[in-house]
Parts: sequence; structure tokens; C-alpha cells
Amino acid sequence: EVQLVESGGGLVKPGGSLRLSCAASGFTFSSYSMNWVRQAPGKGLEWVSSISSSSSYIYYADSVKGRFTISRDNAKNSLYLQMNSLRAEDTAVYYCARGQGAIVVVPAADWGQGTLVTVSS
Amino acid sequence: SYVLTQPPSVSVAPGQTARITCGGNNIGSKSVHWYQQKPGQAPVLVVYDDSDRPSGIPERFSGSNSGNTATLTISRVEAGDEADYYCQVWDSSSDRVVFGGGTKLTVL
Repeated sequence: EVQLVESGGGLVKPGGSLRLSCAASGFTFSSYSMNWVRQAPGKGLEWVSSISSSSSYIYYADSVKGRFTISRDNAKNSLYLQMNSLRAEDTAVYYCARGQGAIVVVPAADWGQGTLVTVSS
Repeated sequence: SYVLTQPPSVSVAPGQTARITCGGNNIGSKSVHWYQQKPGQAPVLVVYDDSDRPSGIPERFSGSNSGNTATLTISRVEAGDEADYYCQVWDSSSDRVVFGGGTKLTVL
């Protein structure tokens, strides 16, 4: 059974940093692309970033480019999102989601339960 | 940037057919994926590559895609289908994943 478990969320002040993690199990992590998707309270889904299986391809939404960094450690079956210069509008539940294949990032057939990031003073 | 447009809400009586549209410029040339999200839960993929269903998704869920509109069709709607539905594509011209704004399906 595929399992994706996010962690690292919490309350952070504007301008601060946070690192999210996603622990994967139940599949060959090194063979799949991965995604981060977020959802602000009461709002729709917003794609944040994607990374191919070998980290050769990395993509970011314009809203986070230059502030967020996606990475992965295939030896540890883990996905990360380093978030810097956080803003109030980054407040959201952040989901990690498995991509379709090594390079093709969508559709995302498996999702974690999400971790809440709150940016507030 | 590529934009996907969904109606904010769709209402349907139990047993009837719900159709949720997703509009985009020449969306028929892209692969469209659909997700269902119930309150407090993570999204679930219900249709991928325009019209394919993941294992475990009822045959009542189907999809089509042509021209500037993709459609998710839910036949014989049940109370348990009440949820938010999102369409999604990969925009190769910008190397971005794009979600539609979401449609709230209400079962009357």
C-alpha cells in the first residue's frame, strides 16, 4: 500500500523559513516523480512544485519560484520542500503527491494527508 | 499562462447525471485529469488521461475531452458523490501543472 506522510508544518512568522518532509513507502520511490500541492483555507488546489525521479527535472509555480526549493533523497525515500521568505499567502495545507512516472508528474494517483503551514505574526 | 475554467457549483438530484466542465484553450490537445475532494480529506484521482478510471473508481465516473472543453460525467449520482471536483493538466508550453478552480457538486 502506498503511503505518503507529510511533516514539518507549523506556525511561522512572515519572512521566516520552514522545511516540509514527505516520507514515502509502499512503492519504489526512486522510480517516481513527486509533487507538492497546497490548499489555502477554503480555497482550491494550487500546484507548488514537481521533481522527477532522479531530480533532473524540477518545476515551480511562479508564486513560489525563488523562495521555495524542492528536493528528494531516494536513499531515504523522502521528498522535501524548503520554504523561505514565507508570506501570509503561503498559509495552506501542503500535500505531497506521487506522479505518474519517472518524468511525467501528473496525474497524481496517491496523496498524503497534508501538513498545515500557517504564516502569521 | 494556461487557465482552466470550471463552474463554481453544480447541483443534481440523486439518480440523475452530473456534468462538470473544464474549459481551456484547445484543451482537447492535452490530457485532462480529474480529482474528487471531500471536506477534510486529500484529493482522490477519479479520471485520468481524459477518460480512464483508476482501479476502484466506479464506472459511473467518466470523462471526455474535445475542442476547448473537457467534461467529467457522473451517472446515477449518489449522496456520497457530493464533493469538490478539480480538473488538471500539464501545460508543456510553460512547464507548469495547472488546476481548475474547482466545482462544488451538491446532491439535492
